[in-house]
Amino acid sequence: GAVVSQHPSRVICKSGTSVKIECRSLDFQATTMFWYRQFPKQSLMLMATSNEGSKATYEQGVEKDKFLINHASLTLSTLTVTSAHPEDSSFYICSARVREAGEQFFGPGTRLTVL
Amino acid sequence: QKEVEQDPGPLSVPEGAIVSLNCTYSNSAFQYFMWYRQYSRKGPELLMYTYSSGNKEDGRFTAQVDKSSKYISLFIRDSQPSDSATYLCATYNAGNMLTFGGGTRLMVKP
Repeated sequence: GAVVSQHPSRVICKSGTSVKIECRSLDFQATTMFWYRQFPKQSLMLMATSNEGSKATYEQGVEKDKFLINHASLTLSTLTVTSAHPEDSSFYICSARVREAGEQFFGPGTRLTVL
Repeated sequence: QKEVEQDPGPLSVPEGAIVSLNCTYSNSAFQYFMWYRQYSRKGPELLMYTYSSGNKEDGRFTAQVDKSSKYISLFIRDSQPSDSATYLCATYNAGNMLTFGGGTRLMVKP
């Protein structure tokens, strides 16, 4: 299957700082990228959907000013957690697909710990 | 009612057993179905992608879709300890967004 990479895989930061997570589709162009959040022993929770060159669409309850998403190209999307707090500590996973209803591939995830 | 329902398990089987993982979905209009495997602290890995009804086989894995009963299954033959993971079924809903079941945790014991 296609490969989606994420960087960094793990980050620890102090409360109040901002953290940027990169998501890249390595061998295909992704028309749409997704950002998920997953708490321990729970299923994935969609945070936002982004299309290249457009503003992201956020799910209800997700603060767009706190979770900034930039989909700069067909192979790169970034998620910036601004002014991170301990409750933002979670496992963040990006996903990408080529077309609507097509195969959707996931990155390996980024574990964020906010002290 | 959730769009996709899945028994959370855990499901524990001995090595070599045939594993059957199942999901039900609510909307008969759903046509695309996927199975993902997720190891602890990793992102989900796409195992199978199927369209409409029928079977699809890939190595030890067989995905089955029964649209008449809105039931999807994943069979794993000759299960191995390395198959121990959480298995997620998923489908595209009416809004063209991927909708997951809650995941079934599988443990294959040597």
